[in-house]
Amino acid sequence: EPEVTQTPSHQVTQMGQEVILRCVPISNHLYFYWYRQILGQKVEFLVSFYNNEISEKSEIFDDQFSVERPDGSNFTLKIRSTKLEDSAMYFCASSGDRRAFMGYGYTFGSGTRLTVV
Amino acid sequence: DAKTTQPPSMDCAEGRAANLPCNHSTISGNEYVYWYRQIHSQGPQYIIHGLKNNETNEMASLIITEDRKSSTLILPHATLRDTAVYYCIVRGSQGNLIFGKGTKLSVKP
Repeated sequence: EPEVTQTPSHQVTQMGQEVILRCVPISNHLYFYWYRQILGQKVEFLVSFYNNEISEKSEIFDDQFSVERPDGSNFTLKIRSTKLEDSAMYFCASSGDRRAFMGYGYTFGSGTRLTVV
Repeated sequence: DAKTTQPPSMDCAEGRAANLPCNHSTISGNEYVYWYRQIHSQGPQYIIHGLKNNETNEMASLIITEDRKSSTLILPHATLRDTAVYYCIVRGSQGNLIFGKGTKLSVKP
């Protein structure tokens, strides 16, 4: 079964450093998403991406965050200057269906655990 | 914020049906109800969705009340591997999945 692959599985970084979290969505999918989950809290929507541009973003996704699809396979989330409160599990998801905007058919990756020290 | 209300936790005996309730009293006519689950700290997994008719797939059944203000996810024969947090989600105004706190289902031997 096709999977969404995220690397690395765990990243530790110093406060103020830039990090890039990487995702390889399912190959024929067109819609891409980032979510995060702070330990013990809810899964929170960050951003959705389609046709090489951001479709929607939450208030969490401020100027220190950016997303990019640098080639035909990778989808990245960059945090420019990490803060302690950015420590969380970050999940990438993708969907090939326009109905994805109705919440159907998202496939999530296993996540990257980001620890900011 | 999430537009659904779920009990924080439930227990179920292995092999029995698990019935997980969800209230969504403010759901509008064109909004779907979706169920996802999250096993430990893995990524959420899609289970099922519906609009107003009951739905069934290989994982579960979804029963939606006639007034659409509540629904129940049914796992017909729960196994230990079904232990997870189950999220009932109504499509948010942004058109993206908005997760609440969900129901932590514990399947016990």
